[in-house]
Amino acid sequence: DVKVTQSSRYLVKRTGEKVFLECVQDMDHENMFWYRQDPGLGLRLIYFSYDVKMKEKGDIPEGYSVSREKKERFSLILESASTNQTSMYLCASLSGTHNEQYFGPGTRLTVT
Amino acid sequence: QQQVKQSPQSLIVQKGGISIINCAYENTAFDYFPWYQQFPGKGPALLIAIRPDVSEKKEGRFTISFNKSAKQFSLHIMDSQPGDSATYFCAASRHGGATNKLIFGTGTLLAVQP
Repeated sequence: DVKVTQSSRYLVKRTGEKVFLECVQDMDHENMFWYRQDPGLGLRLIYFSYDVKMKEKGDIPEGYSVSREKKERFSLILESASTNQTSMYLCASLSGTHNEQYFGPGTRLTVT
Repeated sequence: QQQVKQSPQSLIVQKGGISIINCAYENTAFDYFPWYQQFPGKGPALLIAIRPDVSEKKEGRFTISFNKSAKQFSLHIMDSQPGDSATYFCAASRHGGATNKLIFGTGTLLAVQP
């Protein structure tokens, strides 16, 4: 059974702080994704990675960076958190065989 | 910009009724159309998916109808149950692309009343 875990379910940070969101998958998937989910906007892709140390910008990369040093781990970094980054953040990994994305439970980040 | 447009934004259905959610896409290169279901406090999970070589796919009470010429697809939930209350997202991608990136709709919040 595929498992995608995220380091925190809830996180509260102050404006200007550097924030790290961690995601780990246990199925040896090559592709991993970070989305943010906001009411009425659906899931918007921030960054994705198709291999270790490889990354590509999604639709809304501004204010974010990512790191993929190991295949199973994909980190999202908010260099200087702002209130407009308050959101639900979802990580996913992709089964290339079945083209199915498996999502973690999400991290609800509040920036005050 | 590639888009997937989803409607309605919210839907209330009586128990036993049919829930219908619609999506439209623009990019004719898309060839994989999944629906994801998300319960409160959980991440989305794949519910059912279709490829454009068929016009309909059914799994239990869930059916995808696909209209390639109109670039539209829809999710039908037959005999809707309170346990189906969730947010539903349609999506589209081009299978075999460099990363199989999914483009998601904006979501439909379904409430099935007992």
